[in-house]
Amino acid sequence: DAGVTQSPTHLIKTRGQQVTLRCSPKSGHDTVSWYQQALGQGPQFIFQYYEEEERQRGNFPDRFSGHQFPNYSSELNVNALLLGDSALYLCASSPFGRVNTEAFFGQGTRLTVV
Amino acid sequence: AQTVTQSQPEMSVQEAETVTLSCTYDTSESDYYLFWYKQPPSRQMILVIRQEAYKQQNATENRFSVNFQKAAKSFSLKISDSQLGDAAMYFCAYRSAGRMDSNYQLIWGAGTKLIIKP
Repeated sequence: DAGVTQSPTHLIKTRGQQVTLRCSPKSGHDTVSWYQQALGQGPQFIFQYYEEEERQRGNFPDRFSGHQFPNYSSELNVNALLLGDSALYLCASSPFGRVNTEAFFGQGTRLTVV
Repeated sequence: AQTVTQSQPEMSVQEAETVTLSCTYDTSESDYYLFWYKQPPSRQMILVIRQEAYKQQNATENRFSVNFQKAAKSFSLKISDSQLGDAAMYFCAYRSAGRMDSNYQLIWGAGTKLIIKP
């Protein structure tokens, strides 16, 4: 079992550009959540996808959007990048509705905006 | 809204000694989960231990145990017999349990950097 995989591992973009990050969930998991972790801080919830729909959203602007595919993998898109978008982006997967199970995390994508 | 506070930015401990990391939280909910995650330099969040709020018994996983004080909204992590491999950032996290669609929105503290001295 490969667990949660994210790509790419590192990325450097210029202000104003757009970026797409990808996540493949752990086998058997159908829900994907995305978190932003700024340097020296705890993760902040961006949004969660289940059944190809955004189910919950944190306090992030519309520049952050996502998608989930029929195979449960997910993309996080960020438009009009700002310097403040530089962070580690974590993907977590879980089985929907099973409250007593843990979420599994990928190793993250380190995004640097210059 | 729920909040999680970790007041210790950094802690250090001698190898083989015991260390306790602190976490407090604020919520009006009665049913929730609390977690301690470890984040080594590899960046992947790894679950250390989990506590269900409805359980009075403190969770234990090998060298890791918690002191869960529901009334005080306190959730500390004790690491016994510290090992060099325990060095990492440790995050306390909260998750509601009452709604299925909020199951996996984790609310995090700012983290504590644990340094193990050989």
